Amino acid sequence: NAGVMQNPRHLVRRRGQEARLRCSPMKGHSHVYWYRQLPEEGLKFMVYLQKENIIDESGMPKERFSAEFPKEGPSILRIQQVVRGDSAAYFCASSPRTGGDTEAFFGQGTRLTVV
Amino acid sequence: GENVEQHPSTLSVQEGDSAVIKCTYSDSASNYFPWYKQELGKGPQLIIDIRSNVGEKKDQRIAVTLNKTAKHFSLHITETQPEDSAVYFCAAVGNSGNTPLVFGKGTRLSVIA
Repeated sequence: NAGVMQNPRHLVRRRGQEARLRCSPMKGHSHVYWYRQLPEEGLKFMVYLQKENIIDESGMPKERFSAEFPKEGPSILRIQQVVRGDSAAYFCASSPRTGGDTEAFFGQGTRLTVV
Repeated sequence: GENVEQHPSTLSVQEGDSAVIKCTYSDSASNYFPWYKQELGKGPQLIIDIRSNVGEKKDQRIAVTLNKTAKHFSLHITETQPEDSAVYFCAAVGNSGNTPLVFGKGTRLSVIA
């Protein structure tokens, strides 16, 4: 059973370009969470999605950032018109069911560098 | 919302000694407390978790304790080894189905051989 798969592992974008980060959850998991990590810092929650629904996007900037988890295919975190401050590691986690006491498993992350 | 504080931010121990990392949380409704280990360049790996209906859980050299009254929980690593060197994160989550994990800022553990 493959773990949470994120791609690409590394992404370099020039200022103003778009970044698309993909996350395929573990098999049987229908809940996806995106987190952002700056160097030497903790994991900051961005958005929580279930299939075709955004459940909680309270941690995601209202401009330039969007996320989706379609019925088929991976979850996508999209950052439009990237700026240097968007450089960070973005991690996706998945869990098998709803409920606060559910284990969440992380992917290896996408490291975004904006030049 | 939930707020998680984690201490210390860095910890150095001699190989074979024990390491203890402590976290406090603010939301008394939180009922699930996982710990993650993150090695350089990798994603966080779930190493142990505890739910609010128990006070202690152990898995080989790793144990976690929970004090719901005081709203704090701790990670204990005994007989530390160099491969235990990593950043450790605690987290807490509430009982609602829609609450995400809230993380502490992490502890960088260095085990000196």
